[in-house]
Amino acid sequence: KAGVTQTPRYLIKTRGQQVTLSCSPISGHRSVSWYQQTPGQGLQFLFEYFSETQRNKGNFPGRFSGRQFSNSRSEMNVSTLELGDSALYLCASSLSGLEDTQYFGPGTRLTVL
Amino acid sequence: QKEVEQNSGPLSVPEGAIASLNCTYSDRGSQSFFWYRQYSGKSPELIMFIYSNGDKEDGRFTAQLNKASQYVSLLIRDSQPSDSATYLCAARGSNSGYALNFGKGTSLLVTP
Repeated sequence: KAGVTQTPRYLIKTRGQQVTLSCSPISGHRSVSWYQQTPGQGLQFLFEYFSETQRNKGNFPGRFSGRQFSNSRSEMNVSTLELGDSALYLCASSLSGLEDTQYFGPGTRLTVL
Repeated sequence: QKEVEQNSGPLSVPEGAIASLNCTYSDRGSQSFFWYRQYSGKSPELIMFIYSNGDKEDGRFTAQLNKASQYVSLLIRDSQPSDSATYLCAARGSNSGYALNFGKGTSLLVTP
């Protein structure tokens, strides 16, 4: 069974721009979660989607948003990029929600200049 | 206050030795705990999870949970250089919609 896929793998943007990241979960998995990983803060939960609905949200500003499509694929968007948004963005999928074991994708490395 | 705490290391052990990685958590409502391994430049991969007090063994790995002490550990027996990585402890929090709360990880170096 194919794992979680994320595109693109690397992105370079400048401050003020916006960016959209994509995640395709493991086949059959309906829950997609997003995490931000930085050296200073470690892995932090952004939000979780299930059946096209955001069920849980971490403590991030409204510039971070996401959505999920009917095929469970998910996108996250960051608007008005700041230097501090430079991070590895990880998507994790699970069968039916956060209560299930989560499997991570390879991540998207975002650099904001 | 960070909810999951880990010693950042690096923890250095010789090849063949037992590596002991520790983690404490503050949310008493946490019910399940996970250990992920992350190689440099890669994403976290699940090693094992534990829900109940006591030990859980999977091959060379043993997870230990003590809910009264709010303490989780991971033992790696017969450590190999390929085990050199950062090990992330995560607790599923009851006060955060069941999102995983991660520690910052412990760097393990297994020397030949």
